[in-house]
Amino acid sequence: DQQVKQNSPSLSVQEGRISILNCDYTNSMFDYFLWYKKYPAEGPTFLISISSIKDKNEDGRFTVFLNKSAKHLSLHIVPSQPGDSAVYFCAAPNAGGTSYGKLTFGQGTILTVHP
Amino acid sequence: KAGVTQTPRYLIKTRGQQVTLSCSPISGHRSVSWYQQTPGQGLQFLFEYFSETQRNKGNFPGRFSGRQFSNSRSEMNVSTLELGDSALYLCASSEIIQGKLFFGSGTQLSVL
Repeated sequence: DQQVKQNSPSLSVQEGRISILNCDYTNSMFDYFLWYKKYPAEGPTFLISISSIKDKNEDGRFTVFLNKSAKHLSLHIVPSQPGDSAVYFCAAPNAGGTSYGKLTFGQGTILTVHP
Repeated sequence: KAGVTQTPRYLIKTRGQQVTLSCSPISGHRSVSWYQQTPGQGLQFLFEYFSETQRNKGNFPGRFSGRQFSNSRSEMNVSTLELGDSALYLCASSEIIQGKLFFGSGTQLSVL
């Protein structure tokens, strides 16, 4: 049961334009979401998060939007830069639990930003 | 602070063998989690340890096991290796901030 889904395996964007990465979830108990970025041969790095009490969180060029009724979140990168080319994962912590380290990850979206 | 350190970086084993992977978390982090990454399954949670106790276990067979030491360092072991165990094994540590994990670079395991 894939509780967190990223339906777009890849996304190609021109430098300077907006990148929009999407994520859907099925478990209504999820109340916190995170985005991670992963470069080849490296571990994922935390990018940005959002609590379910908010519908938007911004950090520099990165903004995450949460639509609870649609069980959908998106990551916007504006403007996109070639260095943003990486795999992006959305994730949600163990619903209703006290775990600090158990995340359910989406399958990832490969973002390529062309100069 | 030094980041999460995983050793070895690469490992080649044959079917039936066993393997032990090591992880040193960020100093002060007491939670250590392990994940398996494969092209087909993505990032799958293996288990989590906190203060030497296993708090959670993912849906993996008993051949996968782990432990955490008093200094928070962790090891995971896979016995009777199968071809399908070929994957990138990632260790992550965290403070008490839910979900914000710091990952190591991983151990790339190839089973021949």
